Amino acid sequence: EVQLLESGGGLVQPGGSLRLSCAASRYMINNYAMTWVRRAPGKGLEWVSSISGSGDNTYYADSVWGRWTISRDNSRNIVFLQMNSLGLEDTAVYYCAKGETATFGVTSFDPWGQGTLVTVSS
Amino acid sequence: QPVLTQPPSSSASVGDSARLTCALSSDINVFNYKIFWYQQRPGSPPRYLLYYNSDSDKGQGSGVPSRFSGSKDASANAGILLISGLQSEDEADYYCMIWPSNVLFGGGTKLTVL
Repeated sequence: EVQLLESGGGLVQPGGSLRLSCAASRYMINNYAMTWVRRAPGKGLEWVSSISGSGDNTYYADSVWGRWTISRDNSRNIVFLQMNSLGLEDTAVYYCAKGETATFGVTSFDPWGQGTLVTVSS
Repeated sequence: QPVLTQPPSSSASVGDSARLTCALSSDINVFNYKIFWYQQRPGSPPRYLLYYNSDSDKGQGSGVPSRFSGSKDASANAGILLISGLQSEDEADYYCMIWPSNVLFGGGTKLTVL
């Protein structure tokens, strides 16, 4: 079964940038859409962004639209989330998860990585 | 804008059953959506449990016990997660999810197992 490992989280000042990575092992993910979901402290899960298996199609929540970019390098089995103009409200644990098909559509997210913590603070 | 509403908390005793609800806002009809359910234990990532659309269209996550099951309540316009034979390890946050256009999660229910 595929394993997902996020990295790149950390402490950043408001207005700053971070790039998260999600590396897959034990399985090639090029045939699967990939998704980022976050959980802010004391809050529930929030979908952030998704990308199709080919990388040709990307999708964003309104809360991150225009600020963040999702991408993938299928040759390296990695998905990225470039986060710019970070605000206090972006503080959260960020998880990546695999979809069931190459297209972004009505599927489960399974499995999930362990998550990486992003803290936006001055 | 569609909304999924879950009770913030619920509790039940070991061995009993827990019925967790996920109410869809009035602008969307539960029968038009597959309802996905996730479990998140403290300190762990979310885990996919199952989806339910109808009795002929449902699926269980890999390794998820059959005591986890889904259904729909038309009168309440809600998705239901039923956990039977509660175990202490079932204490967790539970989230429902649908795809109205993009992905929408409910606010989650914290289940306490007494």
